[in-house]
Amino acid sequence: DAKTTQPNSMESNEEEPVHLPCNHSTISGTDYIHWYRQLPSQGPEYVIHGLTSNVNNRMASLAIAEDRKSSTLILHRATLRDAAVYYCILRDVGYGNKLVFGAGTILRVKS
Amino acid sequence: DVKVTQSSRYLVKRTGEKVFLECVQDMDHENMFWYRQDPGLGLRLIYFSYDVKMKEKGDIPEGYSVSREKKERFSLILESASTNQTSMYLCASSLNFPAGRQFFGPGTRLTVL
Repeated sequence: DAKTTQPNSMESNEEEPVHLPCNHSTISGTDYIHWYRQLPSQGPEYVIHGLTSNVNNRMASLAIAEDRKSSTLILHRATLRDAAVYYCILRDVGYGNKLVFGAGTILRVKS
Repeated sequence: DVKVTQSSRYLVKRTGEKVFLECVQDMDHENMFWYRQDPGLGLRLIYFSYDVKMKEKGDIPEGYSVSREKKERFSLILESASTNQTSMYLCASSLNFPAGRQFFGPGTRLTVL
């Protein structure tokens, strides 16, 4: 499985944008980039995914580098409820539906 | 909304007991998964199933088995619980397409004494 690298932790102020980076230099052409997050005492939840183009949904935006070797999850206005562990995961569509979770980034949001 | 439910939030068992963790999803998903989550080790896949009566080993299947007799239900079995199986167990389900987005249950915190 191709690996991802994320910072261990990041801190943000409430109401400000947050950019969570992810490096995946060994990504293959069939790997989708997925982001999940895990709030305290809960199971992970899906945030967003993409293949080549930037993506937006009601939760976040995903910016994918042109060479696809890195991506950035953007929370446009962080709230206290966004404090969580954020996981960047590569999923190969040719390899079933397995997700391999790394350590993720702990996001702290200050009021 | 998709709902994935797990039979217990907290469970305490003794070493050597047979333990059943149950997971039910209500959205007719083909795929179901069992993970365990431990501090410093993240989420690790134990087993998954892509159809009724079908199963595949994940990364850490030793000491576990699974059963999927009905599409909506996926059971994780600890044949003889040991203290190193004390962990948070998370169940998930997904469709194959379009994104294989996984929906997770709330988790079961299992303590083996």
